[in-house]
Amino acid sequence: DSGVTQTPKHLITATGQRVTLRCSPRSGDLSVYWYQQSLDQGLQFLIQYYNGEERAKGNILERFSAQQFPDLHSELNLSSLELGDSALYFCASSDHTRGEAQYFGPGTRLLVL
Amino acid sequence: GNSVTQMEGPVTLSEEAFLTINCTYTATGYPSLFWYVQYPGEGLQLLLKATKADDKGSNKGFEATYRKETTSFHLEKGSVQVSDSAVYFCALSEVQGAQKLVFGQGTRLTINP
Repeated sequence: DSGVTQTPKHLITATGQRVTLRCSPRSGDLSVYWYQQSLDQGLQFLIQYYNGEERAKGNILERFSAQQFPDLHSELNLSSLELGDSALYFCASSDHTRGEAQYFGPGTRLLVL
Repeated sequence: GNSVTQMEGPVTLSEEAFLTINCTYTATGYPSLFWYVQYPGEGLQLLLKATKADDKGSNKGFEATYRKETTSFHLEKGSVQVSDSAVYFCALSEVQGAQKLVFGQGTRLTINP
């Protein structure tokens, strides 16, 4: 158990809909990262938050957004969903010390029909 | 930009065989290097890490040495077990900024009894 929790575990929705994925980092970790895992793109970095502020963006679509709350949990919002958004979405956390590993949650499997 | 290249899979071995999964990287500076493992239906688990040249990471019988001269971080295990069947990802963490993880494409390992 990494200490990172994600909900829900599975999500099935239709094209055009909006969903919210939730992540709680390990106790004490201030950094939260979101990654997308798909068969064709592999594991791709989406966005990072540190202590409530956005720190870096990766290959994140404009239809996607995220935020980190004062209690450090984070939410990833995916809107106007398309079939191609079907993927595994992982949250990871770290204490942001140089060289420190990121610890991953179990992921949310999103299926857009 | 930074990148990680892993040997292509899938890799199939018999129990007690010797395992090597090759990983090379391209990066500016001296990134930290990681191996993560993903068991079926689960998230990514940190297997081992190394933060500077000549460091050896080890865990559960797996080892990898940070080789700056060859920009490599090959994963090895002397005697694999059926329970080692999983997908293995090599990754680097950027030296500065977000320290996001850049992943290789993953190598699927199957161990037959």
